[in-house]
Amino acid sequence: AQTVTQSQPEMSVQEAETVTLSCTYDTSESDYYLFWYKQPPSRQMILVIRQEAYKQQNATENRFSVNFQKAAKSFSLKISDSQLGDAAMYFCAYRSGETSGSRLTFGEGTQLTVNP
Amino acid sequence: KAGVTQTPRYLIKTRGQQVTLSCSPISGHRSVSWYQQTPGQGLQFLFEYFSETQRNKGNFPGRFSGRQFSNSRSEMNVSTLELGDSALYLCASSPVSGSQDEPLFFGSGTQLSVL
Repeated sequence: AQTVTQSQPEMSVQEAETVTLSCTYDTSESDYYLFWYKQPPSRQMILVIRQEAYKQQNATENRFSVNFQKAAKSFSLKISDSQLGDAAMYFCAYRSGETSGSRLTFGEGTQLTVNP
Repeated sequence: KAGVTQTPRYLIKTRGQQVTLSCSPISGHRSVSWYQQTPGQGLQFLFEYFSETQRNKGNFPGRFSGRQFSNSRSEMNVSTLELGDSALYLCASSPVSGSQDEPLFFGSGTQLSVL
């Protein structure tokens, strides 16, 4: 079974600064997908960024980028120019590419605080 | 395009009762998944439905069940409620065109409190 670990329960960053959230995962599969979701107080999970394991190039979405280290099974999220609206719980998630279905395995989450 | 809609937003029940939660996926999406979120256990996968058939199931007791209708709307039922069933129940939909990199789109959840 796959597991996802987020070792930072809480992180804080100053507005306009950069912060990196850590995520490691364990799997024996070679084909999989990784995601970062944010959950603001509204509780709705919002997709931030996704990465295909077969792609070596790190994914980027505006101020959000990942550092994907497949050999180390690490998938960290970097938020540049942090904004107050980035404050939320962030979840790292794994999805198998070798079995059918949309099942996600989530990490424990990192609560991000953005200080003005 | 409307997002994933879950009803009701909040629900209070007592132990032993049963409850039904509803989820309407994004138009055109054929897969619906359910997750339970609690402070202690985090986010856990309950089950997934695709074309009215359960495709995957998590490690939950048989008291948790679901179904999907021909219009892709889904319901989740919990019978004989226990205090530990208090949680945020999230529904997610996916287009499922065959690509595994399709993200899930989540609703805002139903907060269930069992007294």
